[in-house]
Amino acid sequence: AQKVTQAQTEISVVEKEDVTLDCVYETRDTTYYLFWYKQPPSGELVFLIRRNSFDEQNEISGRYSWNFQKSTSSFNFTITASQVVDSAVYFCVLNSGGSNYKLTFGKGTLLTVNP
Amino acid sequence: SAVISQKPSRDICQRGTSLTIQCQVDSQVTMMFWYRQQPGQSLTLIATANQGSEATYESGFVIDKFPISRPNLTFSTLTVSNMSPEDSSIYLCSIYRGDTGELFFGEGSRLTVL
Repeated sequence: AQKVTQAQTEISVVEKEDVTLDCVYETRDTTYYLFWYKQPPSGELVFLIRRNSFDEQNEISGRYSWNFQKSTSSFNFTITASQVVDSAVYFCVLNSGGSNYKLTFGKGTLLTVNP
Repeated sequence: SAVISQKPSRDICQRGTSLTIQCQVDSQVTMMFWYRQQPGQSLTLIATANQGSEATYESGFVIDKFPISRPNLTFSTLTVSNMSPEDSSIYLCSIYRGDTGELFFGEGSRLTVL
């Protein structure tokens, strides 16, 4: 069975602070994909990143960075110098089990960035 | 990026009625997925819709309650039948784009059942 745990339900920071959103996953599959999605108050889901289980390189995209560690089954997401526009719910998502592309969503972390 | 259009974007419905949500994609896709997001909750997969075959439902979801059509490779509908207030949710359709490995979501249909 697949499971994604986002232990942080809500995080509140002040603008320009760095913030890390934690994600721990469980799967018995050796091939799987991990995603992060952002859901701003408007409701749409915005794709941020996709990583496969064979690529443990950390990735940086502007103020966003991701730390993938298979040894601890974690895929953490860091926002550097946070901005008010970063306020949203962030979902960590797991896709495993072959080509059916069914997703297992974490419960999400509500990030509030205060000015 | 893929363009996915959902209609209606929101609706207020009466208990006992049914509502059909439409999902239109700008390109042909084999699989389309329907998700439900209850208020303040994460997304839960309802079913996978393949063109030319019956939809595959996840545990806890049944065809009588959530009938799905997939008449062609760019379109699908999800009907929420005999609605109750517990069905108040955002319903989203999703597709997988193999060339980018990205899963795209529609804007969602926000249903409120009174």
